[in-house]
Amino acid sequence: NAGVTQTPKFQVLKTGQSMTLQCAQDMNHNSMYWYRQDPGMGLRLIYYSASEGTTDKGEVPNGYNVSRLNKREFSLRLESAAPSQTSVYFCASSRTGRGVNTEAFFGQGTRLTVV
Amino acid sequence: QKEVEQNSGPLSVPEGAIASLNCTYSDRGSQSFFWYRQYSGKSPELIMFIYSNGDKEDGRFTAQLNKASQYVSLLIRDSQPSDSATYLCAVRGSGGSNYKLTFGKGTLLTVNP
Repeated sequence: NAGVTQTPKFQVLKTGQSMTLQCAQDMNHNSMYWYRQDPGMGLRLIYYSASEGTTDKGEVPNGYNVSRLNKREFSLRLESAAPSQTSVYFCASSRTGRGVNTEAFFGQGTRLTVV
Repeated sequence: QKEVEQNSGPLSVPEGAIASLNCTYSDRGSQSFFWYRQYSGKSPELIMFIYSNGDKEDGRFTAQLNKASQYVSLLIRDSQPSDSATYLCAVRGSGGSNYKLTFGKGTLLTVNP
């Protein structure tokens, strides 16, 4: 049982380049999330998807786009990378609803450097 | 006001002491609260969740929730050096924001042998 799988684990981009971060989960979760983590800033929500076919902006969506390809996969795209997007990116998934068993499970992270 | 705030830390305690981590949240209707532990260079991992007012104990960990004060805390008893990590508080939104999971900035805990 792989849980949440992100690719790649490391990436270096030049300013202006584009790339897509891939995320897949095998836990049959409805909700999926993309966070970025910078020193001293905690986890900041970029986008989330409550269910297949829906996406919503989080706290820091500018410069990013997402696609919920199907129930398993949720990708994050940087169209024109900027040094300010240097960060560690985490994908997560969870069951939908209130209360019990709605905690998020995280992938191993992608360390992105934009030079 | 940030949606989820944690005491900024860092927090340093001696081995065997009680470590107390605090979190406040702004969405009065929130129903689900989580504590995650994150070791340096690793992903966050869930250590506790709490949904009802009061205390919830799991081994050396106790989560406390006070919805009236919009406050949730984590106590770690008999702290061990292996507990040294960043602790993240997470809150699931209410109503239409129920799908949204918001994290605080985290508190770095160091347990000294």
